[in-house]
Amino acid sequence: DIVMTQSPDSLAVSLGERATINCKSSQNVLSKSNNENYLAWYQQKPGQPPKLLIYWASTRESGVPDRFSGSGSGTDFTLTISSLQAEDVAVYYCQQSYNIPFTFGQGTRLEIK
Amino acid sequence: EVHLAESGGGLVQPGGSLRLSCAASGLTFSSYWMNWVRQAPGKGLEWVANIKQDGSEKKYVDSVKGRFTISRDNGKNALYLEMNSLRAEDTAVYYCASGTKSWGSFNYWGQGTLVTVSS
Repeated sequence: DIVMTQSPDSLAVSLGERATINCKSSQNVLSKSNNENYLAWYQQKPGQPPKLLIYWASTRESGVPDRFSGSGSGTDFTLTISSLQAEDVAVYYCQQSYNIPFTFGQGTRLEIK
Repeated sequence: EVHLAESGGGLVQPGGSLRLSCAASGLTFSSYWMNWVRQAPGKGLEWVANIKQDGSEKKYVDSVKGRFTISRDNGKNALYLEMNSLRAEDTAVYYCASGTKSWGSFNYWGQGTLVTVSS
């Protein structure tokens, strides 16, 4: 199974500042057939299901604010929130869908400093 | 608007069985793979199983193989998860989820149903 490891486990950032979450996969998730990374990012707030933010490692889901961006390829990925807003407080997960079983990172809890 | 609604959760004793359902609306249900994802209390997300559009392919995480069965009824726009030989570690909120973007990413989620396995 592909193991997804996020860092840090928790993060406190001041409003308006940049937040960066990293995700490392134990195997490559870049497809040679279509040159896409099978890597998604989700945001989960308490009592709610996860919400898809980013897929293909860097494609923003419709309706997601452009302060959210994804980058990386192969085994190393980053989710960046360019200017933290109060409503961004949540747990963030990366997920690979290159191989079954699909696997998620352990989550990164983002708080306001 | 797409709506996924899970039901069937509850308290069950270890070794017992439960059948979860997910009713889908607002999407062409028969066109998409469907998935179950679970989340133990206070823990992270774990993909459980998925099923192809016509039900001809089913995949499972190793920890539930031989105990859980995923199925669907496209005529009823419904997804199911039959859970047998339940263990305490199966205690979780179970979400049905589907994706219309990239393979294996999920842009549609239900609100989840809680399964508690305890004596």
